[in-house]
Amino acid sequence: AQKVTQAQTEISVVEKEDVTLDCVYETRDTTYYLFWYKQPPSGELVFLIRRNSFDEQNEISGRYSWNFQKSTSSFNFTITASQVVDSAVYFCALSTFMEYGNKLVFGAGTILRVKS
Amino acid sequence: ETGVTQTPRHLVMGMTNKKSLKCEQHLGHNAMYWYKQSAKKPLELMFVYNFKEQTENNSVPSRFSPECPNSSHLFLHLHTLQPEDSALYLCASSHGQGTNTEAFFGQGTRLTVV
Repeated sequence: AQKVTQAQTEISVVEKEDVTLDCVYETRDTTYYLFWYKQPPSGELVFLIRRNSFDEQNEISGRYSWNFQKSTSSFNFTITASQVVDSAVYFCALSTFMEYGNKLVFGAGTILRVKS
Repeated sequence: ETGVTQTPRHLVMGMTNKKSLKCEQHLGHNAMYWYKQSAKKPLELMFVYNFKEQTENNSVPSRFSPECPNSSHLFLHLHTLQPEDSALYLCASSHGQGTNTEAFFGQGTRLTVV
């Protein structure tokens, strides 16, 4: 069975601080995919990144960076110099290979509050 | 025009009503999904459709009835719901067979059952 754990229920930071959101996953499959999504107050889930299990390169996109470590089954997300607009719920998700489509298993989410 | 559009955005219905949620995607995807987001539970997958065929039913009660007339449209028909069915219902789409690309989500329908 697959499982995603986001131990941080809620994080509050002051604008311009760096913040890291933790994600730990469990799966017995050797091929799997990890995702991060952002859910602003409007409700839709906004895709941020996808990582394949065989690609452990870290990634940076602007103020966002992701650290994927198979040895610890973690896929952490860091926002550098946070801004108020970063306030949202962030979800980490896992899917394993499916012949048809995609089956995402989500973590419980981390509420990020960035105060000015 | 957003990629995945859901209507209505908000819905209040009585337990004896029948209503439908609609989802439309303009991304050329072949797979569509219904997810449920309750206040105290993680996002749960309900149904998966691939090329209009249902490929996953995650033990969803029969009072939820999905319909996928084509790869661009997905409906969720609701009848005799319970108050605990109140939640945000999210539709998503992705490329289908043989891929695990990211899913794109709509803004959801906030459903309240009274």
